[in-house]
Amino acid sequence: SQQGEEDPQALSIQEGENATMNCSYKTSINNLQWYRQNSGRGLVHLILIRSNEREKHSGRLRVTLDTSKKSSSLLITASRAADTASYFCATENYGQNFVFGPGTRLSVLP
Amino acid sequence: EAGVAQSPRYKIIEKRQSVAFWCNPISGHATLYWYQQILGQGPKLLIQFQNNGVVDDSQLPKDRFSAERLKGVDSTLKIQPAKLEDSAVYLCASSFIPSGQGHPSYEQYFGPGTRLTVT
Repeated sequence: SQQGEEDPQALSIQEGENATMNCSYKTSINNLQWYRQNSGRGLVHLILIRSNEREKHSGRLRVTLDTSKKSSSLLITASRAADTASYFCATENYGQNFVFGPGTRLSVLP
Repeated sequence: EAGVAQSPRYKIIEKRQSVAFWCNPISGHATLYWYQQILGQGPKLLIQFQNNGVVDDSQLPKDRFSAERLKGVDSTLKIQPAKLEDSAVYLCASSFIPSGQGHPSYEQYFGPGTRLTVT
């Protein structure tokens, strides 16, 4: 069964704009992670947010987590063409039951 | 630090044939994962090892898929016999997660994957 569901499925923006993608999940989690996948390559870890955290920053990335709504958002500020990729959220519970969502395909146009 | 290694990178087989994939995780990473990623979808966990023991194989189609990690380091995933719907990218990942209960989780490091086409 699908745990994480990203929204939107696809997003197209201009370079320099901000990109926001959302992830909703169904059951309790220990943490939520965001990954990036460039076309034809493996996934790269971006950020991990634990269930007792509400917001986390890493460079141009900002992640929020609302456990009451079972949702998370990933914000990429000042986007660049190199940010073009698919972004996945992954939920897990104490090192088990890893479930990835279907992903958001982001296109950043120059 | 060397990353997760996988081979082969590409494989084309006919249905009903068998195929094997190999993965060598990052040195010191006790946890190893195999994922199946069908085009346009997110990765689906097939099996998770902690050292040479299986933690989760609930989504592994055990009638045709098998995996082993005999010495707790590298791992092989086998499909026998293959079906058309097995066409996908097979990703291996590793993570440093200490043994025990209630531990915090760590990021997973992914290999480049093996693209399997079944004709």
